[in-house]
Amino acid sequence: GESVGLHLPTLSVQEGDNSIINCAYSNSASDYFIWYKQESGKGPQFIIDIRSNMDKRQGQRVTVLLNKTVKHLSLQIAATQPGDSAVYFCAEAGSARQLTFGSGTQLTVLP
Amino acid sequence: EAGVTQSPTHLIKTRGQQVTLRCSPISGHTSVYWYQQALGLGLQFLLWYDEGEERNRGNFPPRFSGRQFPNYSSELNVNALELEDSALYLCASSLGLGQQDEKLFFGSGTQLSVL
Repeated sequence: GESVGLHLPTLSVQEGDNSIINCAYSNSASDYFIWYKQESGKGPQFIIDIRSNMDKRQGQRVTVLLNKTVKHLSLQIAATQPGDSAVYFCAEAGSARQLTFGSGTQLTVLP
Repeated sequence: EAGVTQSPTHLIKTRGQQVTLRCSPISGHTSVYWYQQALGLGLQFLLWYDEGEERNRGNFPPRFSGRQFPNYSSELNVNALELEDSALYLCASSLGLGQQDEKLFFGSGTQLSVL
């Protein structure tokens, strides 16, 4: 029979280009957002986080943008490198203070 | 400082067996979370413990259970294993309730294969 599963969205970028990974969240009461990177065979690693009193936060080569009006979060990676190839997860937290994870995006960096 | 440690790293079991996975949080962290990640899929929340108490439980059957010890380490038990339980089981820790820091730090996981 047919198997049903959730397949990760994919994004392919050329090495050196900028990457933008998007995430839509559902809970308008969420006030904390975070991005994780998961390489094959490893646990997710923290990249960057942002609270709802900010629209933008920058780290080393990464920027997180938060648009609360449309409940949208994005992760920008500058000058994408082969080591950036991984699955990227966004997560949100509200009053329960527990993170709810999105489904993830597979980023592939092309040589 | 040591990160979140999980044991064993890999495990092979047969259907119907029982398994116990272990997790040690980062020193000073009181919250431990368990997630299931099937191959190529996202993170499915299993359990959250803080200060020895179960704080929340995901949509999993009762044969998935766990506990947190006084030293904040945790065990995840799965009874009557089924083929679809094959997955990477991830443990994460955080500073805990009341700390206003929701950031989770993950271990490398236990890869469980059920044959």
